[in-house]
Amino acid sequence: ELKVEQNPLFLSMQEGKNYTIYCNYSTTSDRLYWYRQDPGKSLESLFVLLSNGAVKQEGRLMASLDTKARLSTLHITAAVHDLSATYFCAVDSRTSGSRLTFGEGTQLTVNP
Amino acid sequence: DAGVIQSPRHEVTEMGQEVTLRCKPISGHDYLFWYRQTMMRGLELLIYFNNNVPIDDSGMPEDRFSAKMPNASFSTLKIQPSEPRDSAVYFCASRNSLNTEAFFGQGTRLTVV
Repeated sequence: ELKVEQNPLFLSMQEGKNYTIYCNYSTTSDRLYWYRQDPGKSLESLFVLLSNGAVKQEGRLMASLDTKARLSTLHITAAVHDLSATYFCAVDSRTSGSRLTFGEGTQLTVNP
Repeated sequence: DAGVIQSPRHEVTEMGQEVTLRCKPISGHDYLFWYRQTMMRGLELLIYFNNNVPIDDSGMPEDRFSAKMPNASFSTLKIQPSEPRDSAVYFCASRNSLNTEAFFGQGTRLTVV
């Protein structure tokens, strides 16, 4: 069974600081996704990473994928309050069909 | 495209009643997923369809839960009878291939009292 683990689960940081969220998964994966969820809202797609070494950046967020280490990172640069949300990584692989398996989520709070 | 559309947005029902949640996927998407989100268990995949056929329903918690997809533009998730522990936000999502992300609907917040 494919397992996806994120850490930390809770992250409180100050504006202007940098931090990284980690996503580990248990079996060979073809594709990894990052989502954002604001309180009471739906999940919004942030990044799609499709190959080893893939790196995507959007504003203050950068995601990368290392399929050999079965690890993805979401790096936050110079955090601002608007980034406060819960961030999920999700993985699918041919061995688990096309189901998306989600991590537990990382609840990020950026304090002024 | 209007995105994935779910209805109702909120549902409050009494224990023992039947509840039906509805989903319209994005046109052209051939995968449809039903997820349940709670504080305790996070995001759980209940069932998913490919080309209207259920592929994996191992996440459906009990026989009280059933899902159908009679055509490419409509799916339902039914709970009969409902129980308070079914209270959660239920999301429907769709995708059009294995190399793209799934797009989520706004969710249905279900409260069973």
